[in-house]
Amino acid sequence: DAGVIQSPRHEVTEMGQEVTLRCKPISGHNSLFWYRQTMMRGLELLIYFNNNVPIDDSGMPEDRFSAKMPNASFSTLKIQPSEPRDSAVYFCASSSSLAGGPRNEQFFGPGTRLTVL
Amino acid sequence: DAKTTQPTSMDCAEGRAANLPCNHSTISGNEYVYWYRQIHSQGPQYIIHGLKNNETNEMASLIITEDRKSSTLILPHATLRDTAVYYCIVRVVSSGYSTLTFGKGTMLLVSP
Repeated sequence: DAGVIQSPRHEVTEMGQEVTLRCKPISGHNSLFWYRQTMMRGLELLIYFNNNVPIDDSGMPEDRFSAKMPNASFSTLKIQPSEPRDSAVYFCASSSSLAGGPRNEQFFGPGTRLTVL
Repeated sequence: DAKTTQPTSMDCAEGRAANLPCNHSTISGNEYVYWYRQIHSQGPQYIIHGLKNNETNEMASLIITEDRKSSTLILPHATLRDTAVYYCIVRVVSSGYSTLTFGKGTMLLVSP
């Protein structure tokens, strides 16, 4: 079975450019999460969706960041304009709240390493 | 969610048991203990979870103290591939949404 798929795996861009990260969750999962990981701040939850609806975006650092989930099999995280401090690894994860019970495991993708010059 | 305290790093010899402690002294009665790990350059991976009873699966065992203020993740026979950052997380589980708050974790180095 395919796990969570993220693209691109690596992105290098210049400050001020728009960046779009993409995620395909595991089929059948109805919750999707975007995380950011840096050495300084560790792994931070940015936003999560349930049944394609954003539930909590309090982790989104500023208005330059936006996320969408137009359907159950696709989500994007956009940064516009990008800044050097946005350099990080961005992870997407999915889970099935319909599975019920406390296991409710999150499955993570391989991440996108973003470098903003 | 309750905060957790873990050692920054630990070493373990290959083939020996790795015992990773976690302190969660402010845990509430409805909070579970979860363990995830992150191998270098990969996304985090679920290992195990528990409420108050000890748990075991194919990856590890979880020992939770009777007062639930601390727990230990046990990898019974550590291999080089177990080298990773191990995160202990406590959180309330309710039907529907579930989020994870990651701390700094413990860097486990398994050596030959």
